[in-house]
Amino acid sequence: KNQVEQSPQSLIILEGKNCTLQCNYTVSPFSNLRWYKQDTGRGPVSLTIMTFSENTKSNGRYTATLDADTKQSSLHITASQLSDSASYICVVSGQAGTALIFGKGTTLSVSS
Amino acid sequence: EPEVTQTPSHQVTQMGQEVILRCVPISNHLYFYWYRQILGQKVEFLVSFYNNEISEKSEIFDDQFSVERPDGSNFTLKIRSTKLEDSAMYFCASSDWGISNQPQHFGDGTRLSIL
Repeated sequence: KNQVEQSPQSLIILEGKNCTLQCNYTVSPFSNLRWYKQDTGRGPVSLTIMTFSENTKSNGRYTATLDADTKQSSLHITASQLSDSASYICVVSGQAGTALIFGKGTTLSVSS
Repeated sequence: EPEVTQTPSHQVTQMGQEVILRCVPISNHLYFYWYRQILGQKVEFLVSFYNNEISEKSEIFDDQFSVERPDGSNFTLKIRSTKLEDSAMYFCASSDWGISNQPQHFGDGTRLSIL
């Protein structure tokens, strides 16, 4: 069964600190992996998209990595800001179509 | 920056009633999607739509659901006879191509509450 699992479920860090979120997936065949940021009460916003041939992709303070062999991805956030408080969702697209398979997300709280 | 807009932001409906959720995708986009998120759970794919027909749908998208692009700008999701378990946040999304590595742009959702 195609699944996307994320850890940790929630995380609290101090402003200015770095953090890394994890994603494991069992989706096959695999087309690409995305990280989305979802603020409370808002729709998801795309941060990065990586195909199986890409190992890393950055978007400002966000850096995603992908290991297609082990089916693992991580999202690293550098120098966190209060506005980074949100749910970060790992999403995988299978090769067959356009449907996205979502993880449950990691809830990040950045405190001052 | 162009946005996907959804109306209403909150819809309250009696069980058994029909409800229509509305979306205005980004104007030059060709692919449209509906997702739902039950409170506390993950986002789930419902349906994708291209060239005035459904291109893919999930098991959730049964006969009580339908989608339509009634004009050049709107994209709607109709739920024919609502059930309590249809209570969820419904997100519309659009992309300029259906190629898998294109980002999907999401609206802020319609919260549907079935009483």
